[in-house]
This record gives sequence, structure tokens and C-alpha cells, in this order.
Amino acid sequence: QSALTQPRSVSGSPGQSVTISCTGTSSDVGAYNYVSWYQQHPGKAPKLLISDVTQRPSGVPDRFSASKSGNTASLTISGLQAEDEADYYCCSYAGRSHVFGTGTEVTVL
Amino acid sequence: EVQLVESGGGLVLPGGSLRLSCVVSGFTFTDYWMHWVRQPSGKGLVWLSRMGRDDGSASYADSVEGRFTISRDNAKNTLYLQMNNLRADDTAIYYCARDLRPGTGSYLSSWGQGTLVTVSS
Repeated sequence: QSALTQPRSVSGSPGQSVTISCTGTSSDVGAYNYVSWYQQHPGKAPKLLISDVTQRPSGVPDRFSASKSGNTASLTISGLQAEDEADYYCCSYAGRSHVFGTGTEVTVL
Repeated sequence: EVQLVESGGGLVLPGGSLRLSCVVSGFTFTDYWMHWVRQPSGKGLVWLSRMGRDDGSASYADSVEGRFTISRDNAKNTLYLQMNNLRADDTAIYYCARDLRPGTGSYLSSWGQGTLVTVSS
């Protein structure tokens, strides 16, 4: 159950798009369509952004989108806004357990 | 309104035990799978355990299996995490979370505020 691999940080200017990758294995990301993404602001609990690989729960802006190919999932934030500055984590089902990614800090320049 | 409130954290000696509680409200507790997640200070999220309506559905991360036990009291709307043989690397904020949809155990959609566990001599 090793953590999924994410880039440590990404950055972009307001209005730009950034993409965060999440690389797992054929035992987690590659095996199941149970990938989710979470946003966490400092000192706050995480918030679910994406479920079922690509689905946004009610209330999540449509500038957040996600996909998966093989063992790698991706989250794209389009039209970057100041409030998107936060940490982002992917998560995958791994057969009776779940595993989070290492986390990515998104900085809005 | 869905609410989850953790308690039971604190300072414990290495090798000691602690039981965390998570009292929930605003939804039918028995309909949902529940999870525990922890986050060491300045570090990432770590999934620990989940369970459905009954004990037979419990599962754990390798790092805590055999030391931690998840349970629930459906009459009290409360989720528990019994933590034994605690180590310094168990020091973290511990969150409970409810799954997104009834009857499934895949996504953590509602979270508590967390409770801090510190393992130190």
C-alpha cells in the first residue's frame, strides 16, 4: 500500500489551467474506477472534489475536471482562481483498502 | 446538516492505547460506510480504516492492521477507533469521514474537524 505519486507542487497564474498527475499501479488506480480527488486548505478538513474518476459532487465548480488513463489519474483546474490555492490529494480504492496520493501544493501566482 | 465530531485525542505514552470517538448527526448513520484518516503535521493524508453497517465489513491499512480496531455503535450514532501499542509515528490529526453514498465505501464526502493524537514520552 504505497502512496500514489503526485508532483510536490504546481503553480499557475489566475485564469490559467494546471494539471496534477496521480500515478499508481495496476493494483489500485489501474485496477479500479474508484478514484477521487480532495482539496485541503491550511488548517481545514479535506473536501471531496471528484468521485468515480470524473464526477463532481454537487457544489463543486465545473472548472475542476478529472480523467484516468491506465495507472495514472489526473486533475485539471481550469480558469485558476485565488481560492484554488490549496493542497490536493488523489485517492484510489485498492481492494478492501484505500490509498491516498502524496499530495500536491497548488500555488496561484 | 451533516455533522461529524471527533473526540478522544490527547497525549499518550509509546506503547499506550487510546480510543477515538466520532459522533455523527444529520443523516441515517446505519446507511453509510464510515472511514478513519490521519494526517501527521505538515504531511499528507493517510487512509486507515473503513467499515459498513457491521463489524464484518471492516478493513484496514497495512500500517495499522492488528493494532487499530474500527467499530460503531449504531444506537449512539458513534464511530470508534481503538488504537493499541501506539508509536511515535502514529502522532497525527485523526479524521472520521462519511462516505458519499448510502451503502458504498469508496469516497469520503463529509469530514469531521479532526482530533490530535500525540504519542510521546
